[in-house]
Amino acid sequence: KAGVTQTPRYLIKTRGQQVTLSCSPISGHRSVSWYQQTPGQGLQFLFEYFSETQRNKGNFPGRFSGRQFSNSRSEMNVSTLELGDSALYLCASSHLTSGASYEQYFGPGTRLTVT
Amino acid sequence: QKEVEQNSGPLSVPEGAIASLNCTYSDRVSQSFFWYRQYSGKSPELIMSIYSNGDKEDGRFTAQLNKASQYVSLLIRDSQPSDSATYLCAVASGAGSYQLTFGKGTKLSVIP
Repeated sequence: KAGVTQTPRYLIKTRGQQVTLSCSPISGHRSVSWYQQTPGQGLQFLFEYFSETQRNKGNFPGRFSGRQFSNSRSEMNVSTLELGDSALYLCASSHLTSGASYEQYFGPGTRLTVT
Repeated sequence: QKEVEQNSGPLSVPEGAIASLNCTYSDRVSQSFFWYRQYSGKSPELIMSIYSNGDKEDGRFTAQLNKASQYVSLLIRDSQPSDSATYLCAVASGAGSYQLTFGKGTKLSVIP
């Protein structure tokens, strides 16, 4: 089974621009979560989508948004980029395992650099 | 504020020894616990999940959970240089929660 794929793998943007990142989950997985990883803050939850609906949102400003399509693929968008948005953006897909617990599998990530 | 705490390390162990990684969490309603391994420059890789008090073994890895003490640990037996990585503890709160709270990770170095 193919893993989680993310595109692009690397991006360099300028302050004030916007960016869109894409994620394709593992086949059959319907939940997609997004995380931001920085050296200072570690891994932080952005939001989670299931069946095209955002179910959970982390503590990030409204500049960070996302959506999910009917085929479970997801995109996240960051508008008005700031230097502090430079990070590794990780997508994780999940499926229901026994005991109603959810294991999340990460994609390779998109490394975003804002200059 | 839900918090997950880990010793940042680095934790150095000789090859063949047991590496012990620890994690505490603040949210008492947490129900699912995960250990991820992250090599430098790579994304996190799920290595263990545990949901009930006690031990869970998978190959050289054993996860231990004590909900009363809000403590979860990972033991790596017969440590190998290839185990050198950062180990992240993650906690999901509430039934059916997909929102993981991560610790900052413990860097493990296995010395040949």
